[in-house]
Amino acid sequence: RKEVEQDPGPFNVPEGATVAFNCTYSNSASQSFFWYRQDCRKEPKLLMSVYSSGNEDGRFTAQLNRASQYISLLIRDSKLSDSATYLCVVWIKAAGNKLTFGGGTRVLVKP
Amino acid sequence: EPEVTQTPSHQVTQMGQEVILRCVPISNHLYFYWYRQILGQKVEFLVSFYNNEISEKSEIFDDQFSVERPDGSNFTLKIRSTKLEDSAMYFCASSEGGSGTRLTFGSGTRLTVV
Repeated sequence: RKEVEQDPGPFNVPEGATVAFNCTYSNSASQSFFWYRQDCRKEPKLLMSVYSSGNEDGRFTAQLNRASQYISLLIRDSKLSDSATYLCVVWIKAAGNKLTFGGGTRVLVKP
Repeated sequence: EPEVTQTPSHQVTQMGQEVILRCVPISNHLYFYWYRQILGQKVEFLVSFYNNEISEKSEIFDDQFSVERPDGSNFTLKIRSTKLEDSAMYFCASSEGGSGTRLTFGSGTRLTVV
């Protein structure tokens, strides 16, 4: 089983709609969770950290479900500029000082 | 906002040649990393560097790879004898703290081995 697994998509989303997708992780010792955004052929950029209680940043809401070992990202009122690949990233304390990336979920927002 | 700078943006090299990829991390950051991403695949960890030494490396980071911080600002990745399968985007990253803190990535060097 992959350490961090994501639906590759693409999720085709009408502008203004809401989209949500999950990421599952296999190691229950995973400690920190992040969503990064990656535009085509560009570097990953931190979108938001994911906290145990869930957190919101503008139109973006992240949730963590430790019991079922997944995190989620919800984007409200999608903009064309939200089109990107969203990378689920996990830090596993036992694995040391590295982050483990999922393969990404591609989101295409269309007018 | 502070940036991680990488040069060159694109490097084409012949198989068997040595390449050096350069990075200037954010100045007050203490932890430095190299990640790579083969086209269409996920971002993979190569190596982390702290206090002038490698703190961790992955299975990918074999004897063909080395890292160096030759002065107070640069952080380099050397591939001694490139293979076709080394073709990828190489991202340098830095962070203030280690252990799962926020990473800032550079814009990457696209390495093409022919």
